[in-house]
Amino acid sequence: TQTVSQSDAHVTVFEGDSVELRCNYSYGGSIYLSWYIQHHGHGLQFLLKYYSGNPVVQGVNGFEAEFSKSDSSFHLRKASVHWSDSAVYFCAVSTGYQNFYFGKGTSLTVIP
Amino acid sequence: AQTIHQWPVAEIKAVGSPLSLGCTIKGKSSPNLYWYWQATGGTLQQLFYSITVGQVESVVQLNLSASRPKDDQFILSTEKLLLSHSGFYLCAWSPQGYTEVFFGKGTRLTVV
Repeated sequence: TQTVSQSDAHVTVFEGDSVELRCNYSYGGSIYLSWYIQHHGHGLQFLLKYYSGNPVVQGVNGFEAEFSKSDSSFHLRKASVHWSDSAVYFCAVSTGYQNFYFGKGTSLTVIP
Repeated sequence: AQTIHQWPVAEIKAVGSPLSLGCTIKGKSSPNLYWYWQATGGTLQQLFYSITVGQVESVVQLNLSASRPKDDQFILSTEKLLLSHSGFYLCAWSPQGYTEVFFGKGTRLTVV
């Protein structure tokens, strides 16, 4: 069974700070990794994805993520957050068309 | 550009009443389609997936059913609502390479 773990339920930072949201997964085969953002009361929006190649991938709005096979991780980072980045962030693992497994989400609060 | 439209935006329904939620994807031929349920607290539970017209696979049993009557349409329904059906329902699609998934804006269902 594939699992996706987002160890931090809540993260609070100040505007302009850097932030890292953690995602770890357990699966031994080929996978696709992705991150999503959900503002309160809305659907999820795709941020970025990784399958192969350069382990650091760039996404929208200054977000990037780094894949580590040795750590089974795909952490999301942003160098300087804005108050509008306050939202819930979900990490997902896909092993095929049947399923996208999502973590429980990390709620990010950015204090202006 | 692909667009995904979910309807209705919100519903308040009585226990025991029927339900039908829908979504339409435009601008993408033969997408993989998914229904997700999101409870208060944010965890995403995949309910169904479909890779082609007329074929729908169930992921969890929640007294719900789904159908794909057209290539671009996905319907979620039940004949008898339970209180536990309350939540946020999200329709999503992925390209054939299943690298990422794109969500609709969701339907907020309250069962009273």
